[in-house]
Amino acid sequence: EVQLVESGGGLVKPGGSLRLSCAASGFTFNNAWLSWVRQAPGKGLEWVGRIRSKADGGTTDYAAPGKGRFTILRDDSKNTLYLQMNSLKSEDTAVYYCTTGDSYGTDWGQGTLVTVSS
Amino acid sequence: QLVLTQSPSASASLGASVKLTCTLSSGHSSYAIAWHQQQPEKGPRYLMKLNSDGSHNKGDGIPDRFSGSSSGAERYLTISTLQSEDEADYYCQTWGTGIGWVFGGGTKLTVL
Repeated sequence: EVQLVESGGGLVKPGGSLRLSCAASGFTFNNAWLSWVRQAPGKGLEWVGRIRSKADGGTTDYAAPGKGRFTILRDDSKNTLYLQMNSLKSEDTAVYYCTTGDSYGTDWGQGTLVTVSS
Repeated sequence: QLVLTQSPSASASLGASVKLTCTLSSGHSSYAIAWHQQQPEKGPRYLMKLNSDGSHNKGDGIPDRFSGSSSGAERYLTISTLQSEDEADYYCQTWGTGIGWVFGGGTKLTVL
């Protein structure tokens, strides 16, 4: 059974940084393309970005809101995906989900809440 | 611009059927999409990938009550024999080279 467990969320001040983790199990992690998707309170889903498998180059793509501030990383030895978020803004307040899949999310975690507020 | 449009809300009675619509923006009618379900206070759940010809691949454990179909730029999710646990938000999602993933605004389904 695929399991994705996000952690690392919390309250952070505007301009601060936070690193989210997603611990994965139940599938061949190093072959997977992985994405982060977020959901602001009461709003819909928004793609944050993704990382390809190392075999496919290990490169990353980002949606416009996080470009230059967010970095997606992976540690295949630990079956863990990361989202490093810098220069956080109030509009980054959301539940952040990790998900597998190249073109669309096939397995999803339960999310971790990030609140950006002074 | 690649945009997915969904009605904000829909409702249907317990045991009835409902058809949700996702419309692809002009010039993108050949795109496949995915449907996801999000029950209250839960993470999303993948339902199916739906191609422009109406063929679809459902996720593991998705009941036969859930089916997909396509017509032109419209992609549909039909849920038959509605149950109370089908009350949820439903999102369509697609993808594009150089664009990444795009989500529709979601449809909130109420089961009466």
